[in-house]
Amino acid sequence: EAGVTQFPSHSVIEKGQTVTLRCDPISGHDNLYWYRRVMGKEIKFLLHFVKESKQDESGMPNNRFLAERTGGTYSTLKVQPAELEDSGVYFCASGSTGSGNTIYFGEGSWLTVV
Amino acid sequence: DQQVKQNSPSLSVQEGRISILNCDYTNSMFDYFLWYKKYPAEGPTFLISISSIKDKNEDGRFTVFLNKSAKHLSLHIVPSQPGDSAVYFCAASGRIQTGANNLFFGTGTRLTVIP
Repeated sequence: EAGVTQFPSHSVIEKGQTVTLRCDPISGHDNLYWYRRVMGKEIKFLLHFVKESKQDESGMPNNRFLAERTGGTYSTLKVQPAELEDSGVYFCASGSTGSGNTIYFGEGSWLTVV
Repeated sequence: DQQVKQNSPSLSVQEGRISILNCDYTNSMFDYFLWYKKYPAEGPTFLISISSIKDKNEDGRFTVFLNKSAKHLSLHIVPSQPGDSAVYFCAASGRIQTGANNLFFGTGTRLTVIP
């Protein structure tokens, strides 16, 4: 069974540009999460989808970040326009309703804004 | 304000000995706790979890202990192996705010097991 997959694995963009990160959750998982880790700090929650609906987006830093999950399958996280402080690793995770609070992470998308 | 804290950024242990990683939390509404292991350039991998109704959960070489009164949990690895060298994240969740099951993570402890 395929795990959570993320694309791209690495991205270097200039300040002011746009980047779109994609996440494909484990098949059948209704819950999809985006997390971010800035260098050396804790992994921080961004938002949570249940199927195509945003259950909780309290962790989104500002309105430059837009997440979508059309159709309740894969999700995208767009940063527009990117700022230097957006650099970090963006993790996607998914979980099924029956697995308690255990969620499974992808390998992350490393974003560097220069 | 961080709700989950791992105060030791790093830990070195001799192969075969016990590794003890500690984690403290501040929110009494947390009722589920997890440990994730992370290798460089990879995503966190689920290791072991514990519900607040238990005080111990064991899985092979890994045991998690929960002390609710102290708001403290620890991960014991015994015997430690070189392949256990990684960053270990403590995480907690509970039915708080909107009821979302998002996880609150600590900053991680880098474990190095010396052969």
